[in-house]
Amino acid sequence: NAGVTQTPKFRVLKTGQSMTLLCAQDMNHEYMYWYRQDPGMGLRLIHYSVGEGTTAKGEVPDGYNVSRLKKQNFLLGLESAAPSQTSVYFCASSYHPGQGNQPQHFGDGTRLSIL
Amino acid sequence: TQLLEQSPQFLSIQEGENLTVYCNSSSVFSSLQWYRQEPGEGPVLLVTVVTGGEVKKLKRLTFQFGDARKDSSLHITAAQPGDTGLYLCAGSWDMRFGAGTRLTVKP
Repeated sequence: NAGVTQTPKFRVLKTGQSMTLLCAQDMNHEYMYWYRQDPGMGLRLIHYSVGEGTTAKGEVPDGYNVSRLKKQNFLLGLESAAPSQTSVYFCASSYHPGQGNQPQHFGDGTRLSIL
Repeated sequence: TQLLEQSPQFLSIQEGENLTVYCNSSSVFSSLQWYRQEPGEGPVLLVTVVTGGEVKKLKRLTFQFGDARKDSSLHITAAQPGDTGLYLCAGSWDMRFGAGTRLTVKP
């Protein structure tokens, strides 16, 4: 079972460069999420999607864009990377949260460093 | 601003000891989830508590949801090195996580 797959696992960027993080899930989940995890801050929601073609802002959306063109994929883009975006990024997916308190299933993260 | 406050932030104990970690909020949650995260991996769900006052047990782990559904606790009995990890609570619907308690159990 692949579950939630994130690519790449590691990346180093220079300030101002752009990149896209890919998240793929094979569980037919409607909801998908992007979080960043920084020391002492826990997981903070960047953007999320409640279905194909829809996205919404989370707690810390500035500097990021997302797209959900296919139900199984959720892309996170950094248009102009900044050192403050150095973090570990996690993607997650779930069924509708209201349907039996569904858990989120997480990928193993992408460690991104911006120099 | 963290809606969910977890304490303590760090906890280091010897194998065999008991411990309790807490998740507190000023908000009422319809349910609350506990996750454990190990280094290099994503969080994995341990339990969901739904009813105020509910107690759930998972082997040596006991989870309790406060009567007012604003807080929760996780108690581990006779901790083992395999319990080492970051314990996170999250409010359902809210998609927000606490900052976590980093537990280290020394052999």
